[in-house]
Amino acid sequence: QVQLQESGPGLVKPSQTLSLTCTVSGGSISSSGYYWNWIRQPAGKGLEWIGRIYTSGNTNYNPSLKSRVTISVDTSKNKFSLRLSSVTAADTAVYYCARGSSGVVVTWYYYCMDLWGKGTTVTVSS
Amino acid sequence: SSELTQDPAVSVALGQTVSITCQGDSLRSYYASWYQQKPGQAPVLVIYAKNSRPSGIPDRFSGSSSGNTASLTITGAQAEDEADYYCNSRDSSGFHLVFGGGTKLTVL
Repeated sequence: QVQLQESGPGLVKPSQTLSLTCTVSGGSISSSGYYWNWIRQPAGKGLEWIGRIYTSGNTNYNPSLKSRVTISVDTSKNKFSLRLSSVTAADTAVYYCARGSSGVVVTWYYYCMDLWGKGTTVTVSS
Repeated sequence: SSELTQDPAVSVALGQTVSITCQGDSLRSYYASWYQQKPGQAPVLVIYAKNSRPSGIPDRFSGSSSGNTASLTITGAQAEDEADYYCNSRDSSGFHLVFGGGTKLTVL
């Protein structure tokens, strides 16, 4: 079955760039109908959507992070990646990647994330 | 602050029924999805497209929607349902997704 796995440095210095990769196994990242998300969760707090990418390369980012975020996809390697620049301690969190899908029921759209990685902890500290 | 508002905490007696709500303007046009998260684990999708359940999710979980409010109902709550629950949908202003602040469910 399809699985997602996050990877990357667990410690990043302030002002540097956080870089994470999500590897998709057991299926193709190019499968139609899906988009690929990054979500984060500071310790003891709620989930925050960071952004998403379609395999076409189209992206959408959380407006609050847009100036610092880049999400990219490498379909040949079945991976997608997150870069978050100019990090501060406030960016310390568990970072998750997730597969998303959307559709229409009657006349309403739905969006959901049906498959998640286990998450990776990133600490921003000098 | 989130565009989707949830009560921070809800409790239910074992075997009883509980509803967790999510409010937001975007829910007048888009369905909410619901996620269960237990400590130290990744979230799990439990309801999408108003009232569809992924494979493996017990049928005691159901969803509904009215006006600007989406609800997740657990009929006959079990001890293993104690968890944080998050709603998720599209925001009201563009092509962005947003999560509610989460509701901590305690099963007494």
